[in-house]
Amino acid sequence: KAGVTQTPRYLIKTRGQQVTLSCSPISGHRSVSWYQQTPGQGLQFLFEYFSETQRNKGNFPGRFSGRQFSNSRSEMNVSTLELGDSALYLCASSLVGGRYTEAFFGQGTRLTVV
Amino acid sequence: GQQVMQIPQYQHVQEGEDFTTYCNSSTTLSNIQWYKQRPGGHPVFLIQLVKSGEVKKQKRLTFQFGEAKKNSSLHITATQTTDVGTYFCAGLNGWGNTGKLIFGQGTTLQVKP
Repeated sequence: KAGVTQTPRYLIKTRGQQVTLSCSPISGHRSVSWYQQTPGQGLQFLFEYFSETQRNKGNFPGRFSGRQFSNSRSEMNVSTLELGDSALYLCASSLVGGRYTEAFFGQGTRLTVV
Repeated sequence: GQQVMQIPQYQHVQEGEDFTTYCNSSTTLSNIQWYKQRPGGHPVFLIQLVKSGEVKKQKRLTFQFGEAKKNSSLHITATQTTDVGTYFCAGLNGWGNTGKLIFGQGTTLQVKP
């Protein structure tokens, strides 16, 4: 079956701009989580969506937002970009989330803010 | 908030040597997962441990979950160059249905042939 698809793979944006990243989970998976990966901070949880509702949120400013559509596809948006937002953004899908389900990660979107 | 610490940060070994990475949580975990990320790649699920004191093996990899469910380890016997990558532990926050994984900082393994 097809894996998790993230688009675009690479992005270069200017400070102050906004950006939207997309994630298509594995068919049948209803939980989608987003993570930010940087060399200094590692993998940091952004938020999780399940059945179009945000179920969990990490410690990121309000500039980071997301949503999930009825087909489980998810988008995350970052407004007023800062240099520190440069990172690999990873999306992970799982069947229902929770204690007994593994997360399948996409290839990520590499965002560079200049 | 909950923290998951992982050591060492880097490990260089000669091919054939053993390798171990350790993971410690500030709080009791409902379960722990291990992922491997190859250079330039994305994290790939390796295994999940749920029970206190659980030990699981995958060929040359041995995973342990501590009795108090606050620590875990991954041991690789006789490393090979294909083992190169960063190994992450990830604790699941909370006891209900949630996808919030708290990742350790990872241990990057380099293997010299």
